[in-house]
Amino acid sequence: DTGVSQNPRHKITKRGQNVTFRCDPISEHNRLYWYRQTLGQGPEFLTYFQNEAQLEKSRLLSDRFSAERPKGSFSTLEIQRTEQGDSAMYLCASSPDIWTGSGNTIYFGEGSWLTVV
Amino acid sequence: AQKVTQAQTEISVVEKEDVTLDCVYETRDTTYYLFWYKQPPSGELVFLIRRNSFDEQNEISGRYSWNFQKSTSSFNFTITASQVVDSAVYFCALKNDQKLVFGQGTRLTINP
Repeated sequence: DTGVSQNPRHKITKRGQNVTFRCDPISEHNRLYWYRQTLGQGPEFLTYFQNEAQLEKSRLLSDRFSAERPKGSFSTLEIQRTEQGDSAMYLCASSPDIWTGSGNTIYFGEGSWLTVV
Repeated sequence: AQKVTQAQTEISVVEKEDVTLDCVYETRDTTYYLFWYKQPPSGELVFLIRRNSFDEQNEISGRYSWNFQKSTSSFNFTITASQVVDSAVYFCALKNDQKLVFGQGTRLTINP
């Protein structure tokens, strides 16, 4: 499988609990992105990595959210002390270096659905 | 600020009809990229096309075609002879630097 892989696909958690999502990008893609999508809306940018460096974070990414990409390969997105407003689909995406032929194309995974009850 | 507007929230047509999904964007940048993605019920965003701001050639891929008009800041998507499998939510997006800015999506339903 050469696509972006995310797990778990679905997570139901109680308010106040911590959750972690994992993303495995397409092999050799050095850019990795996290987006959030709520029902009826388009995805919204959360954060972006170039290799292991987190280069940009949206104001949507509150202090309860943290993303890492320790070795420049897979990434994790952790949400601490979840709130009902965190219920959404969390999409991971990756892209190759910008100088490659498809460097400006961003490929998405299937998303991780989070429900906070 | 960058913005993408998909004015059609939902479209419903009968199979084999042609359908056009509208997309209008706003940006002050001279270099940018436009995209269309398809999102079936499974949730994955499937890449359909990328167009850069310097290339206004229309593109056709099978039953899909895209009309990019810089003068009107539009990047419309037409499906010819629609099929039930085309039913999904379609997103138009604008990329500048490293972020994609998405429209709110158009839910397309193709009825048999």
